[in-house]
Order: sequence, then structure tokens, then C-alpha cells
Amino acid sequence: ETGVTQSPTHLIKTRGQQVTLRCSSQSGHNTVSWYQQALGQGPQFIFQYYREEENGRGNFPPRFSGLQFPNYSSELNVNALELDDSALYLCASSKDSYYEQYFGPGTRLTVT
Amino acid sequence: EDKVVQSPLSLVVHEGDTVTLNCSYEVTNFRSLLWYKQEKKAPTFLFMLTSSGIEKKSGRLSSILDKKELFSILNITATQTGDSAVYLCAVTTDNNAGNMLTFGGGTRLMVKP
Repeated sequence: ETGVTQSPTHLIKTRGQQVTLRCSSQSGHNTVSWYQQALGQGPQFIFQYYREEENGRGNFPPRFSGLQFPNYSSELNVNALELDDSALYLCASSKDSYYEQYFGPGTRLTVT
Repeated sequence: EDKVVQSPLSLVVHEGDTVTLNCSYEVTNFRSLLWYKQEKKAPTFLFMLTSSGIEKKSGRLSSILDKKELFSILNITATQTGDSAVYLCAVTTDNNAGNMLTFGGGTRLMVKP
């Protein structure tokens, strides 16, 4: 296990609702990245936070937003949920923004 | 647009076999290539290959990077049922701030007893 934790494990939401997912990075890591993994596909980069600042963003709309806290834990917020947002959301932490990333167990989000 | 392609999509072997998984990439300003193993949820880090480290080995797993031909292979010798998983390849580039991983679609490996 990597020491990266995520909560909750599973979540079911209705279209249009909002959701917040949480991630605690591994001890000593100051960078957190978020990925969305649809069934049968590779993870897709959402964004990265380095020392509490957004440090890169993938092709996701503004309704996907995030935060990183002084202890380097992070949140992913998704507004106005759509059915296509159903996926496994993975958080990864790294020692610095250019080191290998270690993943948490993910949050399975189902939007109905 | 950066692109990472893995082959084969899936593979079924028997314990003791040797397998080779392929990853090709088309990116600008390549920085590193990483291999991960995903069994249920969390991808587990296996190797990172860069210009200064184009060959890595850990036990029965090994990987090489060919920067000229833009591909990498992951070899697993003497496979065991515990090797059954999806193997993911990802690349990073110098194009973006931070360390964004661009993943391929993965290779699903099943090892039968």
C-alpha cells in the first residue's frame, strides 16, 4: 500500500447534484494529482496541485474544481453532475511535481 | 495531441510462461515513461524510465525504453496467477507544468494455473 488514502470508497449521486471527493497524500509528498478512469480505459488527468496551487489541468470543464490544503491533502469537487461523470476517481501523490506518482485506492462515483 | 498506445489489449497465458507487453508513444518533449499494475483499484508503481535510465529490472519484471523508436516493453518471466492485472503505461512530457501522466488504454493479463 502507498499511504495515499481516499474517501469515500463508493458514492451514488443523482444527475445535477454536486460531489466532493477527498484525498490524503503520502507522508512527505507535496503534490497531488487527480485522474478520472472510465470503465475499461486508462486514467485521464484532471488537474494537479503543488504546494496549494493548481499546477496543470487536463481537458475537463470548469465544473471540475479542486483544492489543496496546507497539510497537502486535497479535494476534488464536481458540480452539476452528468451521467458521464460515473467513473473511478483516482488521486496520486508525489514527492515533488516531477517525481513518480503513487495512487490511492480511488472513489467509485455512480451518477444516476 | 500526445498519444500512448498499448498492445495487446488482452492476453491469456499459463503459469510459468513469459509475456511481453508493448507501449508505443507519440509525444513532443518526452520526459519519462512509467509502468503501473492495476489489480482492483489503485495502480501500483512498477518502473520509471528516462533518458538516464532506459532499462529497469525488479525480480521477474523488467522493462526497456527505446527513445529512438518511441516504445517500451514490459517483460514478465515465470508468470504467476498473482500477475493477473491490467498493466498501464504512461508518459510525461516537458510541455505541461507539473507532472501530468498520459496513459494508454492498458493491457489486461490473465495468468491461468
